[in-house]
Amino acid sequence: DIVMTQSPDSLPVSLGERATINCKSSQSVLYTPNNKNYLAWYQQKPGQPPKLLISWASTRESGVPDRFSGSASGTDFTLTISSLQAEDVAVYYCQQYYSTPRTFGQGTKVEIK
Amino acid sequence: QVQLQESGPGLVKPSETLSLTCTVSGGSISSSYWSWIRQPPGKGLEWIGYVHESGSTNYNPSLKSRVTMSVDTSNNQFSLKMSPVTVADTAVYYCARHKIVSGTSAFDYWGQGTLVTVSS
Repeated sequence: DIVMTQSPDSLPVSLGERATINCKSSQSVLYTPNNKNYLAWYQQKPGQPPKLLISWASTRESGVPDRFSGSASGTDFTLTISSLQAEDVAVYYCQQYYSTPRTFGQGTKVEIK
Repeated sequence: QVQLQESGPGLVKPSETLSLTCTVSGGSISSSYWSWIRQPPGKGLEWIGYVHESGSTNYNPSLKSRVTMSVDTSNNQFSLKMSPVTVADTAVYYCARHKIVSGTSAFDYWGQGTLVTVSS
């Protein structure tokens, strides 16, 4: 199984400041023929299902604010919220869909400092 | 707008069978892949497996011996059966759609989730 490890587990950030969440895969999730990383980011608010924010490591979903961005470097992935808003308080998960079983990171809880 | 809704018993006894159905509205169940994902209370997400309208499936090896998924295209539904269950199977169960027509895809639409408690 590909293990997805997120850091930190908890991230207090002041409103308007940058939030950076890291995710590391235990092996590559890059499919060489199309040069795509099979990595997604989700946002989950209390009592709600996860919401897809980003797929292919850096492609934002329609309707997702542009303050959310994703990047990749080898087996290291980053989700950045450029200016934290109150509505961004949530748990964020990374997930690989490169191989079976699909696996998620343990989650990073973003809160207001 | 595609919507998914899980349904099924909220309480299952240990050693019995968990049965859930996901009803898809606002779109056809055909030509897509559909997954089940679960989340124990206060914990992270675990992928259970996916099913295609053709009937092809792919299960998490850790659950494979206990899981069966199927599709009912006439009712635009797909289902999950897990047996036998233990208290460790207590979780919120989500159904989700694959964003692209492939088993290798992120999940773009999710149901609201249904809590299944395994207890005698």
